[in-house]
This record gives sequence, structure tokens and C-alpha cells, in this order.
Amino acid sequence: AQSVAQPEDQVNVAEGNPLTVKCTYSVSGNPYLFWYVQYPNRGLQFLLKYITGDNLVKGSYGFEAEFNKSQTSFHLKKPSALVSDSALYFCAVRDRRDDKIIFGKGTRLHILP
Amino acid sequence: DAEITQSPRHKITETGRQVTLACHQTWNHNNMFWYRQDLGHGLRLIHYSYGVQDTNKGEVSDGYSVSRSNTEDLPLTLESAASSQTSVYFCASSESSSGSEQYFGPGTRLTVT
Repeated sequence: AQSVAQPEDQVNVAEGNPLTVKCTYSVSGNPYLFWYVQYPNRGLQFLLKYITGDNLVKGSYGFEAEFNKSQTSFHLKKPSALVSDSALYFCAVRDRRDDKIIFGKGTRLHILP
Repeated sequence: DAEITQSPRHKITETGRQVTLACHQTWNHNNMFWYRQDLGHGLRLIHYSYGVQDTNKGEVSDGYSVSRSNTEDLPLTLESAASSQTSVYFCASSESSSGSEQYFGPGTRLTVT
């Protein structure tokens, strides 16, 4: 069965520092991988996705993520954090052989001014 | 601009009552989804539809039903509301391709007393 793990409930980063939000996954086939962000009292917004090709994917708001097949990871990164990046981040995976999409439990990112 | 809307945004109901949450999208997407979001559980899939007259059960479908009579709408019905169904409900839509990202509505906060 496919699964997604976000091992950190919360991540604190000082403004201007690089940030990483971790995601690991388990699927039986090749995955589609997604990152979404949720601001307070809002729905989720799509950030970026990995479908195929280059392992480094660039997305909205300066975020990027690296697909690592051997480590089954898809960590979200940003070189320099902004206070406005503070939000709840969700990783999601979809097995190409199964239409169901599974979300991680979310990681709350706090950027400290 | 295309969008996905949910109504009502907030609802308080009593145990045992039937409740219907509306979801309307103008993206002309074939795929539509209903999730619930609870602390510690992230997003869990309730029901989904890949087109008109198509509905499928998700991870937590007990006590919920959906119907898809047109492309734009996927109403979610709680047949007999229970306190365990107090949650925030999100509707989402996507294009048919498995690699497509989802677009989320703003959510409905449902309280069952």
C-alpha cells in the first residue's frame, strides 16, 4: 500500500536561512509527487510536482524539491526563507498504476523574523 | 477566472440530521474529490468522481455519499450527522491526467453538536 511520511510536525527556521521540509514515500510503482501549501483558513494551493525527467523541480514562490528515487524522498527546499512562507505544507503521492492520491499529515513551517 | 467554490463556509448541525455540502467548479475538470481535514490526520479522501455518473469510495466513506449529475458539481451528503464528522471539509478538482495537480476549494467547517 502506498504511504507518505512527513517526519516533522513542525520546522522552525530563521528568516533568510535555507529551509527544508522532509517527505518520504512508499509506492509499488513509479510515483507522481506533489507539494501543497495551506495558509490559515484557506484551501490547499499547489506548489510543485514531479512527473518525470530532471530530479530537481522548481515551483511557485521560489520553492524547489528534489526527487531521490534511491532514498524514496521528495524534500521541499528554499534557499532563503521569508516570514510569509510560514504555513502548513503537505506532501502527496500518487502511484502511476493507481489513481488514488495520498497526503502526508502536514508539516507546520515557522519562519522566525 | 476559473474557480472552485464551497458552500456553506460554516455549518452547525445536530446529531442525526442530514447535511449536504456543496462544491462547484468552473475549471471544467472531470475529476472531483472530497476530503476531510483533522488534526493529526492530515487530509483523508472521502469520495471521488472521474466524471458524470461516476462515484467512488475513498478511505473514510462511511456515513457519506456523493452524486455527480453534471461536470461542475459534486455535493457531499452526510446521511445522519455524527459528532465524529465534525471537521473541515475540502473539495478539489483536477484534470483527467494522473499527473495533474488538484485545485482546492476554501473549505467548509462543519460542527455536529
